[in-house]
Amino acid sequence: GENVEQHPSTLSVQEGDSAVIKCTYSDSASNYFPWYKQELGKRPQLIIDIRSNVGEKKDQRIAVTLNKTAKHFSLHITETQPEDSAVYFCAASRAGGGADGLTFGKGTHLIIQP
Amino acid sequence: GAGVSQSPSNKVTEKGKDVELRCDPISGHTALYWYRQSLGQGLEFLIYFQGNSAPDKSGLPSDRFSAERTGGSVSTLTIQRTQQEDSAVYLCASSRDREQYFGPGTRLLVL
Repeated sequence: GENVEQHPSTLSVQEGDSAVIKCTYSDSASNYFPWYKQELGKRPQLIIDIRSNVGEKKDQRIAVTLNKTAKHFSLHITETQPEDSAVYFCAASRAGGGADGLTFGKGTHLIIQP
Repeated sequence: GAGVSQSPSNKVTEKGKDVELRCDPISGHTALYWYRQSLGQGLEFLIYFQGNSAPDKSGLPSDRFSAERTGGSVSTLTIQRTQQEDSAVYLCASSRDREQYFGPGTRLLVL
């Protein structure tokens, strides 16, 4: 089955700086890669996703890149703000390919230092 | 519109008892998923329903776990003979395409 590795487990950045979180996956048939933000005690919220037919997607301060050959994808947050502090999870699935359940990474605790 | 809802929000039970957790997906979403999140951990896929197709049960950790989805809408996750290691937050998600939207979860504590 799919295996998703996520790094780092904890990331501390100064407010205003950029943050990058990286994930690798093992199943070359995976074609859908969402990122979720989870604040303490709350449900995971989808913040951005990318499908295997594109290499990059951007939404305001958030961007995701995908390298299918290397089987890795990354989340980039620019101009970080205190409200960006949360745990971020990457995930992968073969959506529509019979394995639609998401396989998640173990999460990155992002801390924005004021 | 209304999001995914789950009940109960918290459940405390004794080891060996059975529990039922309920999920109400977003109206019109044909796919429904159950995940488990242990303290400080990532999410673990349990089971997936799509329309009237047979569910994907590949993530269920043991035969004590089962789930049903009635009428293509509400789903119930049942854990029989609960064990202490079953303590976790059980999250339900639904989707119409690929984007999965999560409910608030049920926090289960097995004493």
